[in-house]
Amino acid sequence: AQSVTQPDIHITVSEGASLELRCNYSYGATPYLFWYVQSPGQGLQLLLKYFSGDTLVQGIKGFEAEFKRSQSSFNLRKPSVHWSDAAEYFCAVGAQGGFQKLVFGTGTRLLVSP
Amino acid sequence: EPEVTQTPSHQVTQMGQEVILRCVPISNHLYFYWYRQILGQKVEFLVSFYNNEISEKSEIFDDQFSVERPDGSNFTLKIRSTKLEDSAMYFCASGVTNTEAFFGQGTRLTVV
Repeated sequence: AQSVTQPDIHITVSEGASLELRCNYSYGATPYLFWYVQSPGQGLQLLLKYFSGDTLVQGIKGFEAEFKRSQSSFNLRKPSVHWSDAAEYFCAVGAQGGFQKLVFGTGTRLLVSP
Repeated sequence: EPEVTQTPSHQVTQMGQEVILRCVPISNHLYFYWYRQILGQKVEFLVSFYNNEISEKSEIFDDQFSVERPDGSNFTLKIRSTKLEDSAMYFCASGVTNTEAFFGQGTRLTVV
């Protein structure tokens, strides 16, 4: 069965600084990997996804993530954080062959300080 | 930009009552999902729906839950007899293929 670990519950970053949110997954085959963002009172917005191919994936809002099979990781990065990036970020894993039963991590809340 | 729409945004219901959560998926989408997020916990998969039938469901999705696509545009989640522990944010999602999902803004269900 798939599982996702996001080890950081909260992260505070200064505006303009770089960001890396960690995600580790457990899955027997090559997974489908996703990052979603949830702003207060909002739904889940897809930032980016990895299915296959290039292990560095570009997403919306200047985010990118790198799939590292050897480390079972899919960390999310952004070179320069904006105050509007403050939100909760969820990593998720889906089984190959379909989107059925996406498994989410517990989320990381990003706080941006001035 | 097309989006998944959920109504109501917040629903309060008494324990034991039936509740129907409504979703309008994006119009050309074929795959439909319900997820829920209990306050402070993970987002959890409930059910997936394709070709007018359930394709997969979780252990949470017991006989108290049902889904329906009654008219080709709406996708509903019914909870027959609500319990306190059903209080959560319920998210509907849809996708053209089974390798994507666009989520709605959620319905917060409070069971009192």
